[in-house]
Parts: sequence; C-alpha cells; structure tokens
Amino acid sequence: GESVGLHLPTLSVQEGDNSIINCAYSNSASDYFIWYKQESGKGPQFIIDIRSNMDKRQGQRVTVLLNKTVKHLSLQIAATQPGDSAVYFCAERTGGSYIPTFGRGTSLIVHP
Amino acid sequence: GAVVSQHPSWVICKSGTSVKIECRSLDFQATTMFWYRQFPKQSLMLMATSNEGSKATYEQGVEKDKFLINHASLTLSTLTVTSAHPEDSSFYICSADPPGNQPQHFGDGTRLSIL
Repeated sequence: GESVGLHLPTLSVQEGDNSIINCAYSNSASDYFIWYKQESGKGPQFIIDIRSNMDKRQGQRVTVLLNKTVKHLSLQIAATQPGDSAVYFCAERTGGSYIPTFGRGTSLIVHP
Repeated sequence: GAVVSQHPSWVICKSGTSVKIECRSLDFQATTMFWYRQFPKQSLMLMATSNEGSKATYEQGVEKDKFLINHASLTLSTLTVTSAHPEDSSFYICSADPPGNQPQHFGDGTRLSIL
C-alpha cells in the first residue's frame, strides 16, 4: 500500500507486482519531464523522460504517462524486482531552462 | 553515455575546516554544472548554477561566501564549503547537462559530516 510519511511517501510492493508511482506538477508551462531513480547513498540516475507533446513513452520495463490536463505524471514499473527499491523523483523543466524542478520523491520498497 | 564523477564520496572533518568537492564531466564538456544539497528523506535542493569562466549563480538563501564555486574548465567544477560547521553536514550532489538536449546527469554525491 501507499502511505505518506513526514517527508517522503512510501510505496510497498511484492516482487513481481507492477508498481505505479505518481507525481503532480504545478507549472502548466513545463514541457519536459524526467524520472530519476536514487539508490541509497548515490546520486539520481536517469530512467526515462517525456516531452509535453506526448502522453506516453515506454522503456525497458518502465512506462511514463503524462496527463497535462490535470498536471499529473506517473511511472509504471512492470514486474518489480528487489533491485528497483529506491527513491524515485519526477522532475520538470520549462522552456529553455536548464534547471529541473524536483518533486518530493517516493520511496519504493520491494519485498521478495 | 554521459558520465559525471564526483570526489570525494565521503568526508568527515572537524568544525572550522574547509572542504573542497570536485565534480567532473568525464566524456563531455559542460559549460554549466549544478550543485544540489539533499537532507535525509528529502528532495534535492538546488544551491547554485556553476558557469564556466564566470561567476556562479546562487539560489536565494544560499551564502555565496560560505559555498564557494569555481568552474575553471569545461570539465571541472568545485564546491568549497568554507569553515564548515555541523549544520553544513549533508549530502552534496553535482550534475551537468550533456550536449544534445539530454537530461542532466548526476554525480554520485558527497556525504559531508562535520564533527
């Protein structure tokens, strides 16, 4: 299930299940969105991105969905594995800005 | 793929010490690099944008005299935490934008602990 902690929401799933991590963004002018995975003690790693002219993009075991109407982004991980346990951040960029704005992050815990 | 290397990965030092953290883009040139700070269980907070050959741009509330940034070459930016105190203990992460409109790539962070 999903719970909201003091700072970081947590999603617990069983190995093999599909995971869905959600992100709401606030800037309707944002046109580029990125999902990052951060393992404990490491920097964020790029997973997948999507531009605002698309509503879905698929990678290996991951799918990003973008709903611009409600300013919502989701990351779907198929057949979740223990190695997927990490904190996942969405980030948005606007126009010509280099600088992404990061969401609060979601901690994914995968139980064997 | 684009690689960003950060060094050291872990520093423990006494209060009052100045600590330098290096961020290198290993296989691409980066005119702009970014420095973030991250507290436990929180998101990344942008501290400053490092610009090659010019002054860094600091975010509101970040002391430029406390966090000195130097970007002397297209592959290296350094962050120096001057006269560090326990409240400066944190996880510091750098990033850079590879060419070709790719997303930012991040270093593996530096865990700074001030005793």
